[in-house]
Amino acid sequence: QKEVEQDPGPLSVPEGAIVSLNCTYSNSAFQYFMWYRQYSRKGPELLMYTYSSGNKEDGRFTAQVDKSSKYISLFIRDSQPSDSATYLCALHKAAGNKLTFGGGTRVLVKP
Amino acid sequence: DTGVSQNPRHKITKRGQNVTFRCDPISEHNRLYWYRQTLGQGPEFLTYFQNEAQLEKSRLLSDRFSAERPKGSFSTLEIQRTEQGDSAMYLCASSLKSGGTEAFFGQGTRLTVV
Repeated sequence: QKEVEQDPGPLSVPEGAIVSLNCTYSNSAFQYFMWYRQYSRKGPELLMYTYSSGNKEDGRFTAQVDKSSKYISLFIRDSQPSDSATYLCALHKAAGNKLTFGGGTRVLVKP
Repeated sequence: DTGVSQNPRHKITKRGQNVTFRCDPISEHNRLYWYRQTLGQGPEFLTYFQNEAQLEKSRLLSDRFSAERPKGSFSTLEIQRTEQGDSAMYLCASSLKSGGTEAFFGQGTRLTVV
């Protein structure tokens, strides 16, 4: 079983809808949580970073962390066709030197 | 452009050949990471440098792989005697913070071994 699980999708939504993405993890040692966006054949781009349970908002993006359930989410409001990409969650442990990624969820926002 | 730069962007090589990739991190970042990503998967950690010291290597990094970061600036990743299974996107990232927190990635080098 992978340390970080993420539904591969694809997730197809109409323009303007809310996109809801999530990851689950098994190791409570993960303390820091990031979301990356990756367009086809490009490198991942950091969207959000958080280290505590609760919500963090940045523009149209909201990251949510529930450490007790080992569950993290990313919400994208007012989705645009330009949001069509693969979204990767990335976690790391307090004493670790690396990010552990989920497999990514492919999102398609239709005009 | 002050982001992470990787060269070349694409490399096609014959099985058995050696290849070398270069990464130039964001200038003030002392931490540098290499990851490998195959189609439909998330990136997998390969190795980590803090300044010029290579502090961690994944079991994925077989003895055919070697990475260096002389003088704590740019880094190179060399693959010797390439195999078809080495075909992947090789990503470099850099950060100021420990663990790769808020790591910024380059555009990657896509390797195809034929």
